[in-house]
Amino acid sequence: AQSVTQPDIHITVSEGASLELRCNYSYGATPYLFWYVQSPGQGLQLLLKYFSGDTLVQGIKGFEAEFKRSQSSFNLRKPSVHWSDAAEYFCAVLVGGYGNKLVFGAGTILRVKS
Amino acid sequence: KAGVTQTPRYLIKTRGQQVTLSCSPISGHRSVSWYQQTPGQGLQFLFEYFSETQRNKGNFPGRFSGRQFSNSRSEMNVSTLELGDSALYLCASSLALTGPYEQYFGPGTRLTVT
Repeated sequence: AQSVTQPDIHITVSEGASLELRCNYSYGATPYLFWYVQSPGQGLQLLLKYFSGDTLVQGIKGFEAEFKRSQSSFNLRKPSVHWSDAAEYFCAVLVGGYGNKLVFGAGTILRVKS
Repeated sequence: KAGVTQTPRYLIKTRGQQVTLSCSPISGHRSVSWYQQTPGQGLQFLFEYFSETQRNKGNFPGRFSGRQFSNSRSEMNVSTLELGDSALYLCASSLALTGPYEQYFGPGTRLTVT
């Protein structure tokens, strides 16, 4: 069955430090992968996506992610975290081939220390 | 371009009642998907509509239903509400012509069942 695992429930980093959020997926076909961010009480904002091509993808707000097929991973990175990055981050895979169904990971809550 | 809008933003209902939530997609988007977000189960796919037809369905009981209108606006209905239906209900829209497309989420409707 398709699944997405985000091993870290909480992560705390200092402002200005680098960030890496982990995501592993299980999906038999070509994965279409996404990272979304959610601030408290808000909807989900798309940070970036991977469909094909270059395995390092750039997103909004200075985020990037690298797709590694051999490791079934799609980790999110940012070189220097800002206090405004504190939020919950979700990795997701689009499944089903025909139609739109996202399977989400459990999310990682990012706290930023000043 | 205006984003995805959802109404109402907040609802309080009593067990046994029914509720209807509304979603207006981004202009030009023909696919609307619904998700339920709870602390215990995370983000779960409910169903997807495309050109007024349900194209995908998640593992939810028949009390959860939806529809899509010719202008792509969508509604979801939950009948005979249970306490466990308390959740944030998110709507997402997508171009979804052929191939994979990203989904854009609305701010959600927070449903509380008492």
